[in-house]
Amino acid sequence: DGGITQSPKYLFRKEGQNVTLSCEQNLNHDAMYWYRQDPGQGLRLIYYSQIVNDFQKGDIAEGYSVSREKKESFPLTVTSAQKNPTAFYLCASRDKTNYGYTFGSGTRLTVV
Amino acid sequence: GQSLEQPSEVTAVEGAIVQINCTYQTSGFYGLSWYQQHDGGAPTFLSYNALDGLEETGRFSSFLSRSDSYGYLLLQELQMKDSASYFCAVSFDQTGANNLFFGTGTRLTVIP
Repeated sequence: DGGITQSPKYLFRKEGQNVTLSCEQNLNHDAMYWYRQDPGQGLRLIYYSQIVNDFQKGDIAEGYSVSREKKESFPLTVTSAQKNPTAFYLCASRDKTNYGYTFGSGTRLTVV
Repeated sequence: GQSLEQPSEVTAVEGAIVQINCTYQTSGFYGLSWYQQHDGGAPTFLSYNALDGLEETGRFSSFLSRSDSYGYLLLQELQMKDSASYFCAVSFDQTGANNLFFGTGTRLTVIP
């Protein structure tokens, strides 16, 4: 079955370390997105990509970086410059003919 | 800035009908989406309204009034499994990326 896979589900890192979250989709979707969710909050857009080798900053891109070398993959790196990285990170993709996003199951990052 | 307002919590009885409202103030508007998210899970797409009126999908319906900057999600014949958070989201990006701006969510609790 097609879908989006995020790994790992839980991630612990020490403060000051960079960490990369994986997002892979086999839906053949062109657009991919990264959102951050804090407890009791909505989702906030970090980065998005409409095609391979192209991506744009979202509303809260500071302290994050991404790459889109393959259509299937859109990894997110949380850098040491991100002041408050502990959060639930959600990756999503969308077929350009549809409005609905398909989300992965998320990665819960805890920085200690 | 952009803002979406929805009630933080709603409680309803199993078998009843519940309406979750969403009002928005955004710099542009292309459509209103609704997503369901169970605790710790991935958001799932429920509906999308670009034009005024009611869209029905099984037990769920969604309404939009562009002139009032208002929409709602209607859940009928409530079931215990409908207990979840529900997010409205506005598409206002003009690049065609269909980036979504999410509200903070309404936590629905269905009681027996």
